[in-house]
Amino acid sequence: DSGVTQTPKHLITATGQRVTLRCSPRSGDLSVYWYQQSLDQGLQFLIQYYNGEERAKGNILERFSAQQFPDLHSELNLSSLELGDSALYFCASSVAPAGPYEQYFGPGTRLTVT
Amino acid sequence: TQLLEQSPQFLSIQEGENLTVYCNSSSVFSSLQWYRQEPGEGPVLLVTVVTGGEVKKLKRLTFQFGDARKDSSLHITAAQPGDTGLYLCAGPNAGGTSYGKLTFGQGTILTVHP
Repeated sequence: DSGVTQTPKHLITATGQRVTLRCSPRSGDLSVYWYQQSLDQGLQFLIQYYNGEERAKGNILERFSAQQFPDLHSELNLSSLELGDSALYFCASSVAPAGPYEQYFGPGTRLTVT
Repeated sequence: TQLLEQSPQFLSIQEGENLTVYCNSSSVFSSLQWYRQEPGEGPVLLVTVVTGGEVKKLKRLTFQFGDARKDSSLHITAAQPGDTGLYLCAGPNAGGTSYGKLTFGQGTILTVHP
């Protein structure tokens, strides 16, 4: 158990809908990272938050947004869902900014868009 | 942009065999991490190497960081079916405000047959 929790574990929804994925980081970790993993794309970095502020953006679509709350939990919002958004979504946390930047991953949310 | 290339992409071996997975880059990394991921689960951190030339052992797994800190290898001795999984190397991006953001290799899918 990494100490990172993600809910829900599975999510099935229809195209055009909006969903929210939730992540609670390990106790003491200030940074949260979101990743998307599909079979043909590997682990793709989406976005990073540090202590409530956005720090880095990766290949995140405009239909997706995220935020980190004062209690450090984070939410990833996916809207106008398309079939291609079906994937595993992982949240990770780390103590950053200090190195060596080890990340601890949650169990993931499997999103299926039908 | 810092990239990490892993090889081989796929590895299918018999129980008891030895294997080596490589992680290479043209960029220098302050550290490199290795993760193992099982299907449907989040990546689990195996080890972090920080010093050029460093060798770390984790039971039957041996990790090495290149002298120039541009490459790393993972060697498994006497592989077992329980070693089956996706092995990922990752390194932190240098500079900017995106500290803690990791670059991941595409991964090596290892299958160990009994």
